[in-house]
Amino acid sequence: DADVTQTPRNRITKTGKRIMLECSQTKGHDRMYWYRQDPGLGLRLIYYSFDVKDINKGEISDGYSVSRQAQAKFSLSLESAIPNQTALYFCATSDPSGLTDTQYFGPGTRLTVL
Amino acid sequence: EDQVTQSPEALRLQEGESSSLNCSYTVSGLRGLFWYRQDPGKGPEFLFTLYSAGEEKEKERLKATLTKKESFLHITAPKPEDSATYLCAVQGGSYIPTFGRGTSLIVHP
Repeated sequence: DADVTQTPRNRITKTGKRIMLECSQTKGHDRMYWYRQDPGLGLRLIYYSFDVKDINKGEISDGYSVSRQAQAKFSLSLESAIPNQTALYFCATSDPSGLTDTQYFGPGTRLTVL
Repeated sequence: EDQVTQSPEALRLQEGESSSLNCSYTVSGLRGLFWYRQDPGKGPEFLFTLYSAGEEKEKERLKATLTKKESFLHITAPKPEDSATYLCAVQGGSYIPTFGRGTSLIVHP
């Protein structure tokens, strides 16, 4: 079974709809992240959480919100989706106990906003 | 602000034609430099972490090296299955990794 799972894997929605993307992990990591990836722009950080009570904005948080329901679950919401939020979204986890935070990524959610 | 620049953006090789990908970086207090492989439509997969200048790591046909300003990912005698996008990231004092835009590698049979 995959260590980091994301649901749904694909989603098509309309402008103005509320959308929630979910991420679950079995790696036991405290740190979780949400990224979006657009062609030619690489991975951009939306939000990150270092533990259940810690939520931080990344470089492109406008239009998004998150919820850390448990150590293993981190959800990303688009309150009112717009077409330029069409992208590939990735959840990642990391373990800060080592020298560095090697990140482990989920399989991604492809979101299309019409 | 940490910055990562990868070059070239795209690289086409013939099977067996060795080459290198470059990752130039600026970071305050390097804790680690990461290389990831990403196949189309999939999440990035961890390859290597390098911690200090002079360090090298190898995995099959891949070898990663690190200097104080850049890292290279050397690909020796590549095969078509090595085709992917290779991402570089650095982690500094902010603890949040900064990613480059990646190099798209295509290896033709």
